[in-house]
Order: sequence, then structure tokens, then C-alpha cells
Amino acid sequence: DAGVIQSPRHEVTEMGQEVTLRCKPISGHNSLFWYRQTMMRGLELLIYFNNNVPIDDSGMPEDRFSAKMPNASFSTLKIQPSEPRDSAVYFCASRGHGRRDTEAFFGQGTRLTVV
Amino acid sequence: DQQVKQNSPSLSVQEGRISILNCDYTNSMFDYFLWYKKYPAEGPTFLISISSIKDKNEDGRFTVFLNKSAKHLSLHIVPSQPGDSAVYFCAAANTNAGKSTFGDGTTLTVKP
Repeated sequence: DAGVIQSPRHEVTEMGQEVTLRCKPISGHNSLFWYRQTMMRGLELLIYFNNNVPIDDSGMPEDRFSAKMPNASFSTLKIQPSEPRDSAVYFCASRGHGRRDTEAFFGQGTRLTVV
Repeated sequence: DQQVKQNSPSLSVQEGRISILNCDYTNSMFDYFLWYKKYPAEGPTFLISISSIKDKNEDGRFTVFLNKSAKHLSLHIVPSQPGDSAVYFCAAANTNAGKSTFGDGTTLTVKP
């Protein structure tokens, strides 16, 4: 298994541009998480899907952020318009088998820089 | 309100000695706790976990202790090795909610 795959690994964009981050979870996993890591706020959960349905989006910072999971093998996190304060490492993670007491598997992250 | 706190941003120990990483939580609804390890430019990887019905879980050199009354858990690494140098995240979950809340991490440096 290739693990959780995120793309791109690095993204540099200008303020005001739209940014789309992509994630392919581990096959068979039914929970997907988007996290953001910054120096100031640590590792914070943005949104959590279960069976492709958003369960908890209370961590999404504002309306500029949106996430979708059109099917079990793909999710996107979009920022429109992007701002310099969005610069961070964004991680996608998946968890499998319908259990809520097991670990999540993380992708390698996307380092976003908004200039 | 930070529900999971790792009060030590960094820890440095000598190779072969014990590393003790600490974590405190405030939400009494948390019933499952995990430790993740993160190397630079990689995502966190799962290390060890413990259910709230236990007070200790051991896996090789790694042991996690849970003190529910104090809302405190710790990760012990014995003996510490240079390859253990990484950022360690504590996470807590309410299994009914299905999501984990992470601490800010502790950077462990094991010196040869």
C-alpha cells in the first residue's frame, strides 16, 4: 500500500490566488482528516469526513476554506482567496475499518507558502 | 482553550538514558490517547496508544502511562537512541466523536 498520498508537496502562490490541495487516502479507509500545522497553533484539525460525508468542520478557519470528498478515494482542500497567514503545512490523514479507536495514517503533507 | 497540552517544547537526553515526555488534557470525555512521532518533512506516524480503561501500555522500548485522575499521560522511551530524535505529539480522542485533538508537540533530541 502506498499510504496516504498528498499533492503537491510544495506550493508557492501569490496572495489572492486559489489554492487546491489534494489527497488520496489509503484504500478501504472510511475516515479522512485535514490538519494544518503552524508554529503558532500546532497541529489543528480543520475538517473530518466519514464515509465521504463531512462530520465536523468546526476547525475550518473561515469561508475562504472549503473541503470536498466526492468519492472514497479522493479529497480536496481549497483556499480561495489565499492569504499569507494561510502559509503552513497541510496534512491529510485517513483511518480505516469503521473503528474510532485506532490511529490515523498521515500523508507527507503539503507545504503552502502564500506570498 | 487548548484541551491537550505538552508543556515542554523540547527535551534533550543522552543516548541510553530514559526519555520521558509528558502530556496533560482537560476534557474528561477523552477515552483514547495516542502518541505520534514526526520526522522533518514527513507526516506524523503512529507510535503507541492507550485506552482509558488501562493505565499502562508497553511496546518494546516505548511505554505509555495514563493517570486519569490527574488527566495526565506520559511516554517513556528506554533506552533512548539517536534515531528517536523527532517531534512527539500527544493526541486525545473521544471515540464517540471520532476525531483526535493534538498537543503542540515536544522535540526530543537524543545525543550520542
